[in-house]
Amino acid sequence: ETGVTQTPRHLVMGMTNKKSLKCEQHLGHNAMYWYKQSAKKPLELMFVYSLEERVENNSVPSRFSPECPNSSHLFLHLHTLQPEDSALYLCASSQDRIGTGRGYTFGSGTRLTVV
Amino acid sequence: SQQGEEDPQALSIQEGENATMNCSYKTSINNLQWYRQNSGRGLVHLILIRSNEREKHSGRLRVTLDTSKKSSSLLITASRAADTASYFCATDAHNTDKLIFGTGTRLQVFP
Repeated sequence: ETGVTQTPRHLVMGMTNKKSLKCEQHLGHNAMYWYKQSAKKPLELMFVYSLEERVENNSVPSRFSPECPNSSHLFLHLHTLQPEDSALYLCASSQDRIGTGRGYTFGSGTRLTVV
Repeated sequence: SQQGEEDPQALSIQEGENATMNCSYKTSINNLQWYRQNSGRGLVHLILIRSNEREKHSGRLRVTLDTSKKSSSLLITASRAADTASYFCATDAHNTDKLIFGTGTRLQVFP
C-alpha cells in the first residue's frame, strides 16, 4: 500500500449511469490530483486540488465532476460518459504541487470501462 | 504539448544487463523525477533530481541530468526480471506548479 487508496479497483458502467470514484490519503499531503491514463498516451492531468481548493481544471468535459470535501478525500463523479472515457484513472497526492522531496504518491487506480 | 518524452518507447534486455532510458523535455525546470509503473497499477516515485544537480544514485538506479541539452537518463544496473515495468519521467515547468509526465519506456527484462 502506498498510502493513497482508490476505490473501486474496477468499474464497468453504462453511458447513462452515474458513478463515483473515491480516493483517500492519510499522508498529510496538501495537494491531490486526478490523472487519466489511456493506452499509448501520456498521463493526462485532469484536476488539481491544493488545500481543498480546486486550482486547475484542464479542459475536462463536464461529465467529470471532482469533489474534495476535506484534505484527505477526493472524489470524481461520473455522469453520461462515453466509451472513449474508458481508461485507468489515477489519484495522486503530494506535499507540494511540484512534488519536491518525495514526489507524488499514487493510488493503484480505477480501471473504468464504459459500455 | 507534452513536456517530457522518453526514449526508447520499449526496451528488452536479459537479466544482468544494464538498462538505459532517456527523457527529453522542452522548457526549463525546477526538478525532474522518474517513476515506475507495473502493469495496470499506480506509479511509484523512484528518484528526484533537482535542476542544479547533475547525477544522483539510489541503489541500482543512476540518474543524470543535463539542463543544457534538456535531457535526463535513467540507468538501471544489473537488471532483474522484477524490474519489468514502464518507466516515466516527469518534469515541472517553471511557473506552472504542475508535474507533466511523458509517455514512458516499457522495459522487459527476460530471466
